[in-house]
Amino acid sequence: QKEVEQDPGPLSVPEGAIVSLNCTYSNSAFQYFMWYRQYSRKGPELLMYTYSSGNKEDGRFTAQVDKSSKYISLFIRDSQPSDSATYLCALTGANNLFFGTGTRLTVIP
Amino acid sequence: DAGVIQSPRHEVTEMGQEVTLRCKPISGHNSLFWYRQTMMRGLELLIYFNNNVPIDDSGMPEDRFSAKMPNASFSTLKIQPSEPRDSAVYFCASSPSRDVVQEAPLHFGNGTRLTVT
Repeated sequence: QKEVEQDPGPLSVPEGAIVSLNCTYSNSAFQYFMWYRQYSRKGPELLMYTYSSGNKEDGRFTAQVDKSSKYISLFIRDSQPSDSATYLCALTGANNLFFGTGTRLTVIP
Repeated sequence: DAGVIQSPRHEVTEMGQEVTLRCKPISGHNSLFWYRQTMMRGLELLIYFNNNVPIDDSGMPEDRFSAKMPNASFSTLKIQPSEPRDSAVYFCASSPSRDVVQEAPLHFGNGTRLTVT
């Protein structure tokens, strides 16, 4: 079983839609939860990170962590064509970092 | 801040040839990471350095792979001999954190796309 599972998509939505991206994990020792965004032919860049269960909001983006269910989500409100990218979840704890395989999102104008 | 700089951007080589990928981390960052990205396996950590010292190379697939960091501003990842299954995008990342991540983000370069025929 992989440490982190992420639906690879691809996911296509119309502009303005609410997008939900999800990851599940198996190791309860994970402490930090991050989302990276990767544009085509670029390296990943950190979008959001959170330490605790609950929600963290940054503009149109909300990261949600449910440690009891070992489930993390990224919500994008009012999605824009510029949000088209691959989104990777990343989890860390005990000096190990694991990335999900990424979900490819396309926002159609 | 120029970010993490990787070269070359693309590399096409024949099976059996030696390949050397290069990385210049962000100045002042004391941790450097090499990752490999494929569609099937996503991002895989190959090796990371802290203060130029290799800390964990358990992700290096086999002896054909080697990495060095002779100083704080330069690292190389070498594959010798290369094989078609090594085809992937190789990323270098740096971080100001001493440990693997915690809350300090990784800053990635734009990668080297390697094709071994």
